[in-house]
Amino acid sequence: GAVVSQHPSRVICKSGTSVKIECRSLDFQATTMFWYRQFPKQSLMLMATSNEGSKATYEQGVEKDKFLINHASLTLSTLTVTSAHPEDSSFYICSATIAGDSYNEQFFGPGTRLTVL
Amino acid sequence: DQQVKQNSPSLSVQEGRISILNCDYTNSMFDYFLWYKKYPAEGPTFLISISSIKDKNEDGRFTVFLNKSAKHLSLHIVPSQPGDSAVYFCAASAIQGAQKLVFGQGTRLTINP
Repeated sequence: GAVVSQHPSRVICKSGTSVKIECRSLDFQATTMFWYRQFPKQSLMLMATSNEGSKATYEQGVEKDKFLINHASLTLSTLTVTSAHPEDSSFYICSATIAGDSYNEQFFGPGTRLTVL
Repeated sequence: DQQVKQNSPSLSVQEGRISILNCDYTNSMFDYFLWYKKYPAEGPTFLISISSIKDKNEDGRFTVFLNKSAKHLSLHIVPSQPGDSAVYFCAASAIQGAQKLVFGQGTRLTINP
């Protein structure tokens, strides 16, 4: 149980285009979903926290107009990288917590490798 | 400002021996600590955690030790097995906060047969 999927697993795009990444909780309802970014040899950095039906909370330094997050249902959150540039190339990982779970354990997706040319 | 640090980017251990992975933190508000294991092309999976009210938590071959005064925690794996080869991340959170996890940079553990 507690499986989180991400789609696509890998995407290559041209500079200036927008890319959408989906995060789904497959066998549970997710109260909260988190989006992280990991640059090579660095730690996972939290970008934003999203709750179903409300606006995402962005971490300091993360541009909310560039990284659009939509959490339309309890099983799906999307991250759209708008007007992507080479410096946005990174590994993007989402995680989700189970509704009603007092431990708030985060279950992670497999990640999406974004390469912007 | 790296609030959670794993100063060893890699560690190599003989199969059957003990693996010790270290983690230091700077934020005294952290009161819950976790270790995650990550294989290539997969997301991190939860391994073991410890609350700040404890100094040790054990789960099978895995034991986490917390030294609050030194702001240091360590993960012991004994005996180490080839399947333990992965990248290990320590993470910290302040329970009073909004479930936010702050991760270290990770340590790549290689278990040699």
